[in-house]
Amino acid sequence: ELKVEQNPLFLSMQEGKNYTIYCNYSTTSDRLYWYRQDPGKSLESLFVLLSNGAVKQEGRLMASLDTKARLSTLHITAAVHDLSATYFCAVLLNSGYALNFGKGTSLLVTP
Amino acid sequence: DSGVTQTPKHLITATGQRVTLRCSPRSGDLSVYWYQQSLDQGLQFLIQYYNGEERAKGNILERFSAQQFPDLHSELNLSSLELGDSALYFCASSVGLTQGKESYGYTFGSGTRLTVV
Repeated sequence: ELKVEQNPLFLSMQEGKNYTIYCNYSTTSDRLYWYRQDPGKSLESLFVLLSNGAVKQEGRLMASLDTKARLSTLHITAAVHDLSATYFCAVLLNSGYALNFGKGTSLLVTP
Repeated sequence: DSGVTQTPKHLITATGQRVTLRCSPRSGDLSVYWYQQSLDQGLQFLIQYYNGEERAKGNILERFSAQQFPDLHSELNLSSLELGDSALYFCASSVGLTQGKESYGYTFGSGTRLTVV
């Protein structure tokens, strides 16, 4: 059974600070996705990482994938309040069809 | 607007009842996925359909069923509802069977919030 673990699950950080969210998964996969969800809203696709060593950046967010370590990171640079949301990583088994989600990291950026 | 349409947005019903949730995928997408999101279980994959055929099953209860119609819209039927079925139900769509060959992830609808009282 594929397990996807995110940490931390809750993160309160000050504006302007940097931080990293970690996503570990238990089974071989080279496909990892990051989503953002605002309270009561749908999930918005942020990054799709499809190979070992993949790195993608959008604004203050940067995601990377290390398939050997079964680890993905989402790095936040100089956080701003608008980044407050819940961030999910999701993994697709190489032989599978459905995305398996982590429990999410609830991020609150405070002044 | 993501292009994935879910109706209704909110549903309140009593225990023991049956409800149907509807999803229209994004234009051109052949796969539809249903997810249940609750505070304690997180996002749980329920079932996937591809071009009218069931392709994968996740943690879907026997009281739940789904189908995908020729026009590619999908319905999730929940019966003998229990209080614990209260959750946000998401539909997502994608072009193909798997995501690995595509440059984007699933596109999610805005969800149906089901409250069982």
